Amino acid sequence: ILNVEQSPQSLHVQEGDSTNFTCSFPSSNFYALHWYRWETAKSPEALFVMTLNGDEKKKGRISATLNTKEGYSYLYIKGSQPEDSATYLCAFRGGTSYGKLTFGQGTILTVHP
Amino acid sequence: NAGVTQTPKFRILKIGQSMTLQCTQDMNHNYMYWYRQDPGMGLKLIYYSVGAGITDKGEVPNGYNVSRSTTEDFPLRLELAAPSQTSVYFCASTLLEGQVGGYTFGSGTRLTVV
Repeated sequence: ILNVEQSPQSLHVQEGDSTNFTCSFPSSNFYALHWYRWETAKSPEALFVMTLNGDEKKKGRISATLNTKEGYSYLYIKGSQPEDSATYLCAFRGGTSYGKLTFGQGTILTVHP
Repeated sequence: NAGVTQTPKFRILKIGQSMTLQCTQDMNHNYMYWYRQDPGMGLKLIYYSVGAGITDKGEVPNGYNVSRSTTEDFPLRLELAAPSQTSVYFCASTLLEGQVGGYTFGSGTRLTVV
């Protein structure tokens, strides 16, 4: 069973704060690392799919970095807004997995106005 | 373009009853998955399929069954429902192997077994 860990489990920040959280995953047999944003009562939506060591992706105020050699990825949110409140999931895809993802337990972000 | 459609959205079952959770996608994705999400836990893979006629077990398959007779449909069957199957179920699909893309998720089915 693959181990994908996210930290912290939950985070409360004020509007305008920048924040980041971590996903750690196996450093062997790497194929891709996914980040999803999951709002309450909705379905998870893909933010990023990262495949290359040292890769950095950005979408608006959200960005992510990837280190496959040491098995971690960071997700950054710059100038958090209340609408950023959601659960952020990372998921590891191994090299022979038929697209199967192993998900972390998520980081719950609450942004207070 | 509807994406991934799951039905029903909510269901209450009595212990021992059976039901089928429906999942349909219209994106011509070969790969489809069923996950369950329990409080405080990550999504756990129940079953997956790499194409019509091909299915395989995931991490938590006991008590469930699937079929994939067409590319579009991937129903999940619960036989003899148990309280441990109370969960939120998500169906997802993605592009062909070799093309790295994110999953498209359905809206989920919240199942309670009493």
